[in-house]
Parts: sequence; structure tokens; C-alpha cells
Amino acid sequence: EPEVTQTPSHQVTQMGQEVILRCVPISNHLYFYWYRQILGQKVEFLVSFYNNEISEKSEIFDDQFSVERPDGSNFTLKIRSTKLEDSAMYFCASRANGSRSGNTIYFGEGSWLTVV
Amino acid sequence: AQTVTQSQPEMSVQEAETVTLSCTYDTSESNYYLFWYKQPPSRQMILVIRQEAYKQQNATENRFSVNFQKAAKSFSLKISDSQLGDTAMYFCAFSNSGYALNFGKGTSLLVTP
Repeated sequence: EPEVTQTPSHQVTQMGQEVILRCVPISNHLYFYWYRQILGQKVEFLVSFYNNEISEKSEIFDDQFSVERPDGSNFTLKIRSTKLEDSAMYFCASRANGSRSGNTIYFGEGSWLTVV
Repeated sequence: AQTVTQSQPEMSVQEAETVTLSCTYDTSESNYYLFWYKQPPSRQMILVIRQEAYKQQNATENRFSVNFQKAAKSFSLKISDSQLGDTAMYFCAFSNSGYALNFGKGTSLLVTP
């Protein structure tokens, strides 16, 4: 069964450093997402991406964050200057186009980011 | 803005028993989707079941079924014949057609022998 893959699974970085989290969405999917889950809290939406541009973003997704689809397969989340409060599990997700999928969003296994 | 409320932070059930997790939501939209995701200790988000709002029939996936009450804006998950592997955090989520998921705070389910 096709799946969303994320790398790295765990990264430790120093405060102020740049971090890039990588994702390979399911191959025929057209909508891509990043979500965040701070330990013990609910999953929060960050950004959605469609047709090579951001289609929706939350208030969490400020100027420190950016997303990119540099080639036909990868989808990346960059945090320019990490803060302690950026420590969280970051989930990449993707969705096919059309109603047949039932609007189902499929998640990767997550990238656990620890900022020290 | 849509809100999703899960009023049970923690629940416990014995193996082989049935348990129901509650979820309510608030929206003014008529066309939307509802989901239950499972997050085991590995923290992966796994889709359990989904429901399209325009369908009156409740969705079922093996031991998992939902009770969708559109007028009451309620979407509960029933797990039958609970297994130890069902121990996880369960998140209810809402999505307007084409938009991102909005999650509830989750219910931690513990299945005991």
C-alpha cells in the first residue's frame, strides 16, 4: 500500500539553527500538508500546498516557516531559525484529488524535532 | 471556524468488550467529512474510519463503526471486541471539502486484559 514517507524520523538541533524536514507524498496525490503536534497536545494544521503554491495556512505558519516542492516527488518544510517552542512532531500528509478518495488525508510517520 | 470537541480525555475498556468514544463538532457547512484517526505509542497517525456528511448510512470498518448524527453534530466511534492493540490516542477530525483537517484534543484509550 502506498504511503507517505518522512525523513528524518528524529532530529535534534540547536536553537537558532535552520531545519529542513523532508517528505515524499503518495505518488498520485496532489494536495500536500504539514501538521504539528507538540507533546501531549492535539494535532495542529500548519499549511496546505496545491499546484505549487500555498493554498491555506494557519497562524502558526509565520515567516519562520516555508514549504517547497523542489522536484516532482519531495515536499519540504523549512524552519529558518528554530525556537525552543518549535519542538514537536511534524507530520507530512497528502491527499488525492477528487471525491473518490473521500477527502481522506494520509499521514506519514512523523519527524520528531527537538530544539535545545 | 469549525471546532471539534472530544469530551472524554481518557477511557478504559476490557479486552473483548465494546467501547464508544464521543465527538461533537460545530460547523455551518452542509458538505463535509469526518474522520477518526488512531495514534498508537509510535505516534504515527493511522486512519480508522471516515464518514461523508451527505451519506446517511453510518460507516463501518471491521470492528470499528460510527454513529453519525448530523442534526446533533455528533460523530461517535464504537470499537467492538476491543483488542490490546487498540490501545492508543484517538482523534476525531473534521474537514470541509478541500480544506485541512481540524482535530479534537483526543481520547486516550487503554485496553486492559
